[in-house]
Amino acid sequence: QSVLTQPPSVSAAPGQKVTISCSGSSSNIGQNYVSWYQQLPGTAPKLLTYENNKRPSGIPDRFSGSKSGTSATLGITGLQTGDEADYYCVTWDSSLSAWLFGGGTKLTVL
Amino acid sequence: QLQLQESGPGLVKPSETLSLTCTVSSGSISSSNYYWGWIRQPPGKGLEWIGSIHYSGNTYYNPSLKSRVTMSVDTSKNQFSLKLSSVTAGDTAVYYCARLAGYPAWGQGTLVTVSS
Repeated sequence: QSVLTQPPSVSAAPGQKVTISCSGSSSNIGQNYVSWYQQLPGTAPKLLTYENNKRPSGIPDRFSGSKSGTSATLGITGLQTGDEADYYCVTWDSSLSAWLFGGGTKLTVL
Repeated sequence: QLQLQESGPGLVKPSETLSLTCTVSSGSISSSNYYWGWIRQPPGKGLEWIGSIHYSGNTYYNPSLKSRVTMSVDTSKNQFSLKLSSVTAGDTAVYYCARLAGYPAWGQGTLVTVSS
């Protein structure tokens, strides 16, 4: 069971918006940056956002990261069938001196 | 743009030691204060952090794997390495090397199967 809690699955229709939550604590999300990754089947995780809300070049602004207190959120607007994938949050835990991954959320675009 | 590439045997026998190396290019492993890490993903499961190492040799390990993990760094080759001892079938996974902080970067991953 992950220290960072994500919903196992979310779904929405094409063109709609979806949010994926990542819940942690004061020792991890509460005081450190959060990154989000997208993983398509059989491929390496792809960086979507880092340092809470920054996007790498080439990542469309349909993807956005945010953080409030001990929770982080990934937002995806204008859903496309190609967005179907697993999504992971990750952050450092200052008390454990360890990197933590969320359990992953499977996005289905209906 | 920073690039990382894993290398090592794809098949390891039970009870033996898994050894992997990550080669960093388009950037120096010792030019910044970041840690360099290993992450693994068993088939059909989520991502698990194994450990991280600084170019000075300082390390952090996942407590659940700490007794079996050793990481090292070779700044002259711009590489860092992972050794996981006493492997079992449960260690079968895709292993990734990565820099998780700053502007994160990952290797493409390498599948390691533990089987006799």
